[in-house]
Amino acid sequence: GAGVSQSPRYKVAKRGQDVALRCDPISGHVSLFWYQQALGQGPEFLTYFQNEAQLDKSGLPSDRFFAERPEGSVSTLKIQRTQQEDSAVYLCASSLRRVTGEQYFGPGTRLTVT
Amino acid sequence: DAKTTQPNSMESNEEEPVHLPCNHSTISGTDYIHWYRQLPSQGPEYVIHGLTSNVNNRMASLAIAEDRKSSTLILHRATLRDAAVYYCILLKAAGNKLTFGGGTRVLVKP
Repeated sequence: GAGVSQSPRYKVAKRGQDVALRCDPISGHVSLFWYQQALGQGPEFLTYFQNEAQLDKSGLPSDRFFAERPEGSVSTLKIQRTQQEDSAVYLCASSLRRVTGEQYFGPGTRLTVT
Repeated sequence: DAKTTQPNSMESNEEEPVHLPCNHSTISGTDYIHWYRQLPSQGPEYVIHGLTSNVNNRMASLAIAEDRKSSTLILHRATLRDAAVYYCILLKAAGNKLTFGGGTRVLVKP
């Protein structure tokens, strides 16, 4: 079956532009996570959804970052007024279970802010 | 939260075993030990996890010390495809978000 897909795979934005990153999780997976990975670092947690409910957004670095999952499947991570420090790979993961389950990651979206 | 400590890098020859250590001296009784790996230009991939007993699956084995303060991921016969960054992560039984450290970069030489 299909894994987690993300689009676009690459995005170049001028500083100040808004961007939207899409994640299609594995069908039926309850949990969805967003992570940010800076160059040479491990991924860092941004936010977590259980179905359509955003239960943890403690990792979002600023109020310019917003995520939604309105129907409990596809999720969008939006970054407003992008800054150069937002340049990173944004990873989406989904899990069948609510807790402690194996997470399946997508390939990521590489965002470059110029 | 309990932290993990891993060597920055390790080298191995193809078809030889690889033993990746992880120290977690402040682990609590409810912490599971998870391993993920990340191949170049890909998202992380689940490898294995355990609580107290040693675990085996098709990818690897996980050996957990009796006091649980350390563990070792064992790749039985390294292939070139096993070249990746390997992350040792502690996750509580009721937890879900993964906290990645720096991981160990494994280089496999032909």
